[in-house]
This record gives sequence, C-alpha cells and structure tokens, in this order.
Amino acid sequence: ETGVTQSPTHLIKTRGQQVTLRCSSQSGHNTVSWYQQALGQGPQFIFQYYREEENGRGNFPPRFSGLQFPNYSSELNVNALELDDSALYLCASSWGGPQTYNEQFFGPGTRLTVL
Amino acid sequence: DAKTTQPNSMESNEEEPVHLPCNHSTISGTDYIHWYRQLPSQGPEYVIHGLTSNVNNRMASLAIAEDRKSSTLILHRATLRDAAVYYCILRDPGTASKLTFGTGTRLQVTL
Repeated sequence: ETGVTQSPTHLIKTRGQQVTLRCSSQSGHNTVSWYQQALGQGPQFIFQYYREEENGRGNFPPRFSGLQFPNYSSELNVNALELDDSALYLCASSWGGPQTYNEQFFGPGTRLTVL
Repeated sequence: DAKTTQPNSMESNEEEPVHLPCNHSTISGTDYIHWYRQLPSQGPEYVIHGLTSNVNNRMASLAIAEDRKSSTLILHRATLRDAAVYYCILRDPGTASKLTFGTGTRLQVTL
C-alpha cells in the first residue's frame, strides 16, 4: 500500500509568480484535503476535493485553487505569490468524502519559499 | 468551530507515562474528539479519536471527562520516537472532513 506522496519536496519562487503543487492519494482514497502550515503554527485548512469538485474551503483567497483528477490525485495552484505564502503545504487523503470522520493520511509536504 | 486549549509544551522521561490534557469547554454533543501528532519534518498522523467513552488503541489511550469538556491523551510508555507536536481537534458533523488544528502541545522526551 503506497502512502500519500507530494511533489516537489522544496520549491523557491519569487513574488508574483505562480506555483503548482502535486499530491498522489493513498490507494483507495477518494478525498483530498490541502493545508498550509506556517512556521511554528498548526496546519490551516485550505480546501477539500471530493469527486473532482471542491467541497469546503477555509479562509483563503481565490488565488488558491485546485483540481482533483479521476485517479483521485490532486493539484494545488497558487497565483500571484506573496511573501506570506511561504509555508509547508500538506496534502491529506481519506475515504468517504465530506461529512465523514475518517482518518486523514498526510503526505510529507512541500516547502514553498517565496522571495 | 469549537475551540480547544492545550499547554504549549510538556516534558517526559523515556519509559514513563505521559498525560497530555486538552480543554474543550464549548464542545457540542455531536463533536468527536480527535488527536493527531506531527513528528519533526513529517506531516501529521492520526493517533486516536472518541466521542464519549474512553478509547484504547496500539498507540495510546484517550480518556474523556464525563461532561466531555476535557480529555486526556495517554501515552503509556513514552519513547524518544514520541517526541512530537500533539494536536487535539474537535470534528463536528457539519465540517467533519475538515481538521481545525490549534498550536498543539510540543512533547519533549528525554533519556
């Protein structure tokens, strides 16, 4: 059984650029959630994808967007990068979609630095 | 989202039990109590969850107060590998799929 994988591991961008982060779900999982973790803070929920549609969003602006593919993998896109976007971006997969309490399995994260 | 309050940090000696407290005085009757932990340089991982009754699994035990306004995660014999940030999270039916993390408790384990 393959766990959640994320790519790239690290990324450096400059202000105003765009970035795409990728996540492969654990085998059998149909739901993907994305979180942002600033240094010294707990992860903050960005949004969740289920059945290829966004289902629930945290307090993040529209320049944060995502996709889920038929194989349940997912992308997080961030446009017009700002310095405050520097953080660890975590992807978590689970089974069952919204309204479930199922365990979420996290990947190791992508460390994004915006200069 | 109902809030949780945890101490910022705790220390323990290896091989000794650790009791990590969490206060959640505004918990609703349908909120589940979940615990996740985050080891250094890793994503969070699930530890345990419960609703009303105490729960045990291979990693830990969860003791829930009778009024459900507090809970305690119990590591029976701490090891160096248990050094992590531990998060207590409430999950309600409306937003069950979303995890709302606080700042957690950083557990240090020493020899």
